[in-house]
Amino acid sequence: DGGITQSPKYLFRKEGQNVTLSCEQNLNHDAMYWYRQDPGQGLRLIYYSQIVNDFQKGDIAEGYSVSREKKESFPLTVTSAQKNPTAFYLCASTSTWGQGSPLHFGNGTRLTVT
Amino acid sequence: GESVGLHLPTLSVQEGDNSIINCAYSNSASDYFIWYKQESGKGPQFIIDIRSNMDKRQGQRVTVLLNKTVKHLSLQIAATQPGDSAVYFCAETFSTGGFKTIFGAGTRLFVKA
Repeated sequence: DGGITQSPKYLFRKEGQNVTLSCEQNLNHDAMYWYRQDPGQGLRLIYYSQIVNDFQKGDIAEGYSVSREKKESFPLTVTSAQKNPTAFYLCASTSTWGQGSPLHFGNGTRLTVT
Repeated sequence: GESVGLHLPTLSVQEGDNSIINCAYSNSASDYFIWYKQESGKGPQFIIDIRSNMDKRQGQRVTVLLNKTVKHLSLQIAATQPGDSAVYFCAETFSTGGFKTIFGAGTRLFVKA
């Protein structure tokens, strides 16, 4: 079955450490996205990529970095500069960039930084 | 500011009853709306969508209604089942040169057996 795989499901890190969250899709989608979900809030866009080797900052990009070297993969690094990194992180994709199609989501990575 | 006014209330319904979840949006330029279902510990799943040139769309047991006059969106679930228990949230999309999607915080639906 085609889908988006995020790993690991749970991640624990000490403050001051960088950590990378994995996102892989086999849907052959061009566009990929990273969202952050906090309790009681809507999803907020961190970064998006319209196509391989291209990515753009979303609404809350500070303290995060991404790469898009392969169509299938869009890893997110949470750096030590992110002031409040503990959250549920969701990766998503759409077949093409543009409005008018729903997002396909992975099952998320819950990051806890202490 | 821009917002999808779905604050996180809780809706509790009896199994077999119909459920109605509401959403208010603020951007009159939004032209595409989506409802997602999110179960605990999982990512959101697409339920149904509607474009601004429609006012109603039906799926299997679900109906979305769009009232552009008052900027209101609703999701109706017929014959609600225990498996429908989840957080439901709406999203609106509008063009800004590129495009932007705004998500609501969600409504938690409890289905009592």
